[in-house]
Amino acid sequence: GEDVEQSLFLSVREGDSSVINCTYTDSSSTYLYWYKQEPGAGLQLLTYIFSNMDMKQDQRLTVLLNKKDKHLSLRIADTQTGDSAIYFCAEIVNTPLVFGKGTRLSVIA
Amino acid sequence: GAVVSQHPSRVICKSGTSVKIECRSLDFQATTMFWYRQFPKQSLMLMATSNEGSKATYEQGVEKDKFLINHASLTLSTLTVTSAHPEDSSFYICSARGTGKGTEAFFGQGTRLTVV
Repeated sequence: GEDVEQSLFLSVREGDSSVINCTYTDSSSTYLYWYKQEPGAGLQLLTYIFSNMDMKQDQRLTVLLNKKDKHLSLRIADTQTGDSAIYFCAEIVNTPLVFGKGTRLSVIA
Repeated sequence: GAVVSQHPSRVICKSGTSVKIECRSLDFQATTMFWYRQFPKQSLMLMATSNEGSKATYEQGVEKDKFLINHASLTLSTLTVTSAHPEDSSFYICSARGTGKGTEAFFGQGTRLTVV
C-alpha cells in the first residue's frame, strides 16, 4: 500500500535554509504536495509538484522530486520564525491524499 | 485559492451528546469531500470519503454509525459525532476537491472537539 515517510523534527537558525525530506512508496503517484500546519490550525497548501517534474520553485520554496528514488524535498530559503510549524508531505495515488507523519520545524532566532 | 470553511472551530460537549461539524466550499463545487482526524502530535488519519449524493466510504476501523457523514449538496458536507465520548476528543479536518480545480485538495480550518 501507499506509505509516506518523513523525519519528525528539524531545527534551524533564522536566516538559514531548511530542507525537509520525504520518501514515498507508490511510484504511480501523480501529484505530491507540501502542507503547512500551524498550532491548532488546519492545513495550508504550500505547493505541489506534478510527478513528471523534477523541480518547482515558488518564491522562498523549492521542491525537488527524484522519482527514481521516490524522494521529495522542500527547501525553505531564508527561514523565518514564522515558518515554525509542522510540514506534511502527501501523495495522491487514488482519490484521498496519503500523508506523512509531519516534520516539526523549529526556527531558532 | 479556493476556500473551504469549517465550522465550528472549537466545540466542547458533554459525554453522550451529538456534535455536528460543517464543511463548506465557498467558491467551487466540491464533488468529493474528505474527513480527517488528527490526534495530538500525530498525522492526519483519513476517516471517510464522501461524494455528493452518495453514501460515504469509511476507512477500516471507523464506525459509520458513530461518525455520520452527509454530503447532500456540492458545497456542504457534515460530520456528526453521535453519542460522543472523551476518546472522541480530537482535531477534525475536512478537505474538498472539485472537478474544476484539478486534483488539489483544499482544507478547512479544522474543528477542535473536546468531550467532557
